[in-house]
Amino acid sequence: NAGVTQTPKFRVLKTGQSMTLLCAQDMNHEYMYWYRQDPGMGLRLIHYSVGEGTTAKGEVPDGYNVSRLKKQNFLLGLESAAPSQTSVYFCASSYWGLPYFGPGTRLLVL
Amino acid sequence: QQQVKQSPQSLIVQKGGISIINCAYENTAFDYFPWYQQFPGKGPALLIAIRPDVSEKKEGRFTISFNKSAKQFSLHIMDSQPGDSATYFCAASMGEGSSNTGKLIFGQGTTLQVKP
Repeated sequence: NAGVTQTPKFRVLKTGQSMTLLCAQDMNHEYMYWYRQDPGMGLRLIHYSVGEGTTAKGEVPDGYNVSRLKKQNFLLGLESAAPSQTSVYFCASSYWGLPYFGPGTRLLVL
Repeated sequence: QQQVKQSPQSLIVQKGGISIINCAYENTAFDYFPWYQQFPGKGPALLIAIRPDVSEKKEGRFTISFNKSAKQFSLHIMDSQPGDSATYFCAASMGEGSSNTGKLIFGQGTTLQVKP
């Protein structure tokens, strides 16, 4: 069991560039989430999914899009990266209630 | 607004001492309160969780105390060890059983350093 895996581990973008962060889970979990972690602010929910083909907005969804075409994968997209999106991004999944987190993707937007 | 407030921001404790981290929440609809532990460069990992119908839950050296009327809960780490040095997050969510979608509201985090 790999649990929750994230690709890539680290990325540097220039302002205005786009990219997709990939999350995969092998626990057959229905729920998946994308959080961002910033110093002094804890983790904040960007988007989440309660099942294949569904997505919903979290606390801080602006500037991000997501897709859940397969149950095991949850993609986070940045269409036009901004310096304010410099952060560590965590994907998580759960059967219910208690998310298991991946190792994170560190993103730097210059 | 910050729905879950955590304090202190950082904490230094001697080995063998008790580490105490406090959290307060505003939304009375919250009914599940987990704590996560995060080591540098890693994702948060579930440590212990409690529901508001229980005033205390203990797992090994880790204890959650819950005060529903005050809307506060705290994590106590007994006999703190250098290996406990990490960032700790409290969190809150809503929903019972399968209705809990796991959408967590996190506190700001506490960086704990346990000195040998």
